[in-house]
Amino acid sequence: KNQVEQSPQSLIILEGKNCTLQCNYTVSPFSNLRWYKQDTGRGPVSLTIMTFSENTKSNGRYTATLDADTKQSSLHITASQLSDSASYICVVSDPNDYKLSFGAGTTVTVRA
Amino acid sequence: NAGVMQNPRHLVRRRGQEARLRCSPVKGHSHVYWYRQLPEEGLKFMVYLQKENIIDESGMPKERFSAEFPKEGPSILRIQQVVRGDSAAYFCASSENRGLDEQYFGPGTRLTVT
Repeated sequence: KNQVEQSPQSLIILEGKNCTLQCNYTVSPFSNLRWYKQDTGRGPVSLTIMTFSENTKSNGRYTATLDADTKQSSLHITASQLSDSASYICVVSDPNDYKLSFGAGTTVTVRA
Repeated sequence: NAGVMQNPRHLVRRRGQEARLRCSPVKGHSHVYWYRQLPEEGLKFMVYLQKENIIDESGMPKERFSAEFPKEGPSILRIQQVVRGDSAAYFCASSENRGLDEQYFGPGTRLTVT
């Protein structure tokens, strides 16, 4: 059974601080790993997509890393802003690519 | 340049009624995917459709659930004789092609069964 596990479940940070979210997966075979941001009441929006050969991918203040050997990924948010408050979801796809396996997400709350 | 549209955004049904959820993909996208999100859980794949064809429905319950994506009009996810356990957020995504193409998600329909 494919699994994607994320930690922590939730975290609170002060505006301007950095944070790192973790994702461990057991999806095999593996095609690519994506991080999505989901605002409350909205659908997920893609932040980064990495294939198994990529180690890191950045999108503005978001930087994702991937270690395909240990099946771990992280999402680092730099200089957090209030608008970063959301759920961040790690998503892994198999080689068919359309069947995505979703983590339960990490809820980030940024406070002023 | 409209994204994926879903309606209704919120739907309340009594047990035993039917629920119809609609999804209009991004213009030009012919691949549609439906996902279900239960409270405190991640999204779960339900079904993948391409115009007029069901490609993969392995994530969809065999009873009471059906999906279609007609040549004209939106994709429909239909739940017959709803039960309380069907209460969830249902998300639709679309892509231009299959494979590594980005899946764009709609805002979801929140179904509440009373």
